[in-house]
This record gives sequence, C-alpha cells and structure tokens, in this order.
Amino acid sequence: AQKVTQAQTEISVVEKEDVTLDCVYETRDTTYYLFWYKQPPSGELVFLIRRNSFDEQNEISGRYSWNFQKSTSSFNFTITASQVVDSAVYFCALSEYSNSGYALNFGKGTSLLVTP
Amino acid sequence: DTGVSQDPRHKITKRGQNVTFRCDPISEHNRLYWYRQTLGQGPEFLTYFQNEAQLEKSRLLSDRFSAERPKGSFSTLEIQRTEQGDSAMYLCASSLEIPEAFFGQGTRLTVV
Repeated sequence: AQKVTQAQTEISVVEKEDVTLDCVYETRDTTYYLFWYKQPPSGELVFLIRRNSFDEQNEISGRYSWNFQKSTSSFNFTITASQVVDSAVYFCALSEYSNSGYALNFGKGTSLLVTP
Repeated sequence: DTGVSQDPRHKITKRGQNVTFRCDPISEHNRLYWYRQTLGQGPEFLTYFQNEAQLEKSRLLSDRFSAERPKGSFSTLEIQRTEQGDSAMYLCASSLEIPEAFFGQGTRLTVV
C-alpha cells in the first residue's frame, strides 16, 4: 500500500504565483517523521525540511512554508511568489523506525514548472 | 568534503555485464542506505547498513544485487548480469542515529 500519496503529478504556474504541493501519508505509528525533498534536473535530492509527529507547528523558511495536520494526515508545502529556479520535482517522504532503520518511503513526486 | 559522494555519476553498460557503484558517506555517519529511482517515480529503498552490518534488504534486491560496507566506511553496490530493467538512478544516503538522510548525487545506470 502506498504510504505517501502526492496526488498532483504535474503543476505549472507563472512566476510570482503561489503554489501548494499536497502530501497525504499513512502510518500506524505514533512516532514518525515527514520530509520534503527537491530534485532539480541534475538529479540530486536536496533536503528541505524534516518534521516529527509530535511537532505540528507550521514552519516558514523564506518563501517556503509547511502545514502539518495530523488530523488529516497531511503535510503540505507552499511556495510563495514562485520563481523559475523553483522548477523541479518535489518529493514528500515518511520515515518510521523499522528493521530498515529510518528508511524513507517516498511519494511519486510532483513536478513543478514555473514559467516566466 | 562533508557530503555523501557517489562514483561514478554515470554508467553505460551492455546487458549481461557486471557493474559496481561506490558510495562514500559522511565520515561520522553510521547508517547507510541505498535507494533506486526509476523515471517518474520516487526513490525506493533497497538496503540498509548500520556500521558494517547489512540489516535489511528490500525484495527489490534480487540475487543479482549485492551490497557491502567493509569496516563500516564506504559501501559498494554490485549488479551482476545486468538487465535493461536495471536502468535507473542509484542513490546512496547516510545518517546518524536520528532520522535524517543526506543523499549523494546518485549514479545513473543505463543498460543497453
């Protein structure tokens, strides 16, 4: 079963628009961690944020903000005033401690295209 | 260098050949993970090392795949008798005890 669902496959926006990337997760654990990564065309996975299940505070970092809601099992990511350099594939991931250590379960990603 | 390093960055091989990839984790990190990413998909877990011990292998890791981490330092991932379906990006990540993952730039394998 898919543990992380990113329903938006592709999103296209015009520069300076705000955009929200959705992430819904599934877990039975009470302790877990949620991540967002950015993957530009070069292929490297760039870490953006980690949240643990006990911290539901929303976070803002520059133009990026994250909304974590346990009640709806969602961890959405908003980019304010998007820029062309934000064009990339964005992945949401879930980590639960198991025999695999803290291995990440990734969603299928959302491809964001920001046009001038 | 403080990041995870992977070598080579790109590999093109003929079907049936063996290939080996190397991952150098961040030096003090005791946990090391290998993932595989195919086109249009998110990375999928392959295997996990804690120090030199390989503690978990995904069912994605067929008998043709083997991974090692001698002395708990660098790790190698070998694929024997490559098949076209092995074409993918192979990613390595390392971490300490806390759940975080620092990824290398990956090795892109193309089997022709």
